[in-house]
Amino acid sequence: AQTVTQSQPEMSVQEAETVTLSCTYDTSENNYYLFWYKQPPSRQMILVIRQEAYKQQNATENRFSVNFQKAAKSFSLKISDSQLGDTAMYFCAFDTGNQFYFGTGTSLTVIP
Amino acid sequence: DVKVTQSSRYLVKRTGEKVFLECVQDMDHENMFWYRQDPGLGLRLIYFSYDVKMKEKGDIPEGYSVSREKKERFSLILESASTNQTSMYLCASSLRQYSGGYTFGSGTRLTVV
Repeated sequence: AQTVTQSQPEMSVQEAETVTLSCTYDTSENNYYLFWYKQPPSRQMILVIRQEAYKQQNATENRFSVNFQKAAKSFSLKISDSQLGDTAMYFCAFDTGNQFYFGTGTSLTVIP
Repeated sequence: DVKVTQSSRYLVKRTGEKVFLECVQDMDHENMFWYRQDPGLGLRLIYFSYDVKMKEKGDIPEGYSVSREKKERFSLILESASTNQTSMYLCASSLRQYSGGYTFGSGTRLTVV
């Protein structure tokens, strides 16, 4: 079975601090893609960062970076210098090429 | 930028009504998807389509149907709305065989009373 687990339903971080959101997944596929999506209160789901499973180098997008551990099937998201606009629900997901699988989300609040 | 447009942000319907949720994308994407989003359950796939007139059941298709008569439009139909279909509905699209991720619409919050 293909599953995605986000074990932290809610998190908070002080503005300008760093926070890490955890994600583990299970798949028997060898080639797949991993994603973090952000859903702010406006509800529009926005792609934050993408990682190709066959690449060992961790993806980085400005203040967002991932720690991808393929053997452990772990894909955590690190947000540096947190900003108020980072307050949102964050979803981890992976794509096997046949279907997308989403976690249940982590609600992140950035505290001024 | 790809745009996925859902026709309504909020809908209130009565039990037993037939409900249409419309989704249109403007970037010639082959794949389109309907999800429902509920607190604590994440996103659950209702139906998807990889081409015009093609549809496949997702994980929770019961009580729903879909229509894809044109490439850019994917409609979700609640044949007889029930209160347990009160939810947020998200439409998404993507290119075939390209794992660049989905582009989502802004969602329709449906309340069935």
